[in-house]
Amino acid sequence: GAVVSQHPSWVICKSGTSVKIECRSLDFQATTMFWYRQFPKQSLMLMATSNEGSKATYEQGVEKDKFLINHASLTLSTLTVTSAHPEDSSFYICSPNNIAGNNEQFFGPGTRLTVL
Amino acid sequence: GQNIDQPTEMTATEGAIVQINCTYQTSGFNGLFWYQQHAGEAPTFLSYNVLDGLEEKGRFSSFLSRSKGYSYLLLKELQMKDSASYLCAVRDPNTDKLIFGTGTRLQVFP
Repeated sequence: GAVVSQHPSWVICKSGTSVKIECRSLDFQATTMFWYRQFPKQSLMLMATSNEGSKATYEQGVEKDKFLINHASLTLSTLTVTSAHPEDSSFYICSPNNIAGNNEQFFGPGTRLTVL
Repeated sequence: GQNIDQPTEMTATEGAIVQINCTYQTSGFNGLFWYQQHAGEAPTFLSYNVLDGLEEKGRFSSFLSRSKGYSYLLLKELQMKDSASYLCAVRDPNTDKLIFGTGTRLQVFP
């Protein structure tokens, strides 16, 4: 399957700080990147969709000024959680869209964010 | 609206067969995915159905009926390592994004 990496795999930060999460597709190019978050014992919730070189589209209820998404290249997208608060503690997962048209949709390994 | 429903929890015995159902009501449809997710890990792709019928892949099979808005994942010869959450997701035809169901936590007992 496709290889997708995320960095960091886990992070603990103080309330009010910003955290940047990187997502890389290592063996294919992704024109679109989906960012999900998952709270404990819940399913994945889509936060936003980004397209390479353009602004991200955010799902209803997701603050675009708080969750900054940059998709600067076909292999890298970043999610920055600005002024993080304890309620932002969650599992953040990226999923690039394989432009080869493969019907498999892969996910990165996820980033566990804990805000104290 | 988008509704994708799954049972919250299921239990089964090692060596048995279990069927996890998923019903969906979405504004569009371009395929249904099943994923396995162990605690603390990202989802792992299991299957993809876009046409009606059964897709078999080893111990796992997935069925789709588009007219009924229904799918199931069948797990045979259950093993302890199959204890995990199983997520059903429908792909939106306009945006390609996946809309996930509530997920089913499966516990396999010896």
